[in-house]
Amino acid sequence: AQSVTQLDSQVPVFEEAPVELRCNYSSSVSVYLFWYVQYPNQGLQLLLKYLSGSTLVESINGFEAEFNKSQTSFHLRKPSVHISDTAEYFCAVSQLGSNYKLTFGKGTLLTVNP
Amino acid sequence: NAGVMQNPRHLVRRRGQEARLRCSPMKGHSHVYWYRQLPEEGLKFMVYLQKENIIDESGMPKERFSAEFPKEGPSILRIQQVVRGDSAAYFCASSPGTGENTEAFFGQGTRLTVV
Repeated sequence: AQSVTQLDSQVPVFEEAPVELRCNYSSSVSVYLFWYVQYPNQGLQLLLKYLSGSTLVESINGFEAEFNKSQTSFHLRKPSVHISDTAEYFCAVSQLGSNYKLTFGKGTLLTVNP
Repeated sequence: NAGVMQNPRHLVRRRGQEARLRCSPMKGHSHVYWYRQLPEEGLKFMVYLQKENIIDESGMPKERFSAEFPKEGPSILRIQQVVRGDSAAYFCASSPGTGENTEAFFGQGTRLTVV
């Protein structure tokens, strides 16, 4: 069995400030790691993923996440946020061999204020 | 290419009624997944279907819940004799395959309220 913990349910920040959304997971086997974003009134969209190789992965809109196996973490960071980044962010894991079966965290609502 | 379409977006049912949730996958996608998000919880996997076949239903409650993905038409998640505990957001996702580099695209969800 695997589980995902997102430690913060809400993270308010000011525009242009840095942000870190925390994600820890537990699993007895190797996993793939994902961050999804849900903008208001939209479906979940894949933001970035770690499958193998470099532990630092980046998205096209400036977010990055680093896989830390020893700490079983996959925290999401952005050095300078925009108002348009306001959304709910979900961390998820899947097991190798059944990558279609995602286990999600409860989500973190990021609110960027002017 | 329209995204994954779910309808209705909101559904209210009285206890004991049936709820039918529909999901039209993206064009060219033959793999469909249903997830449920209970209040204050993360999304939980329910079932994985590929045209006319249930591949993995390990997350489906044993009773009252069923899913289908017919050769023609949308995938349907059916909940019989709904109870208050079924109130949740139900999300559908689709993909063209299941390789590790295959992305699943999610719909906007159907929010079921049982009164």
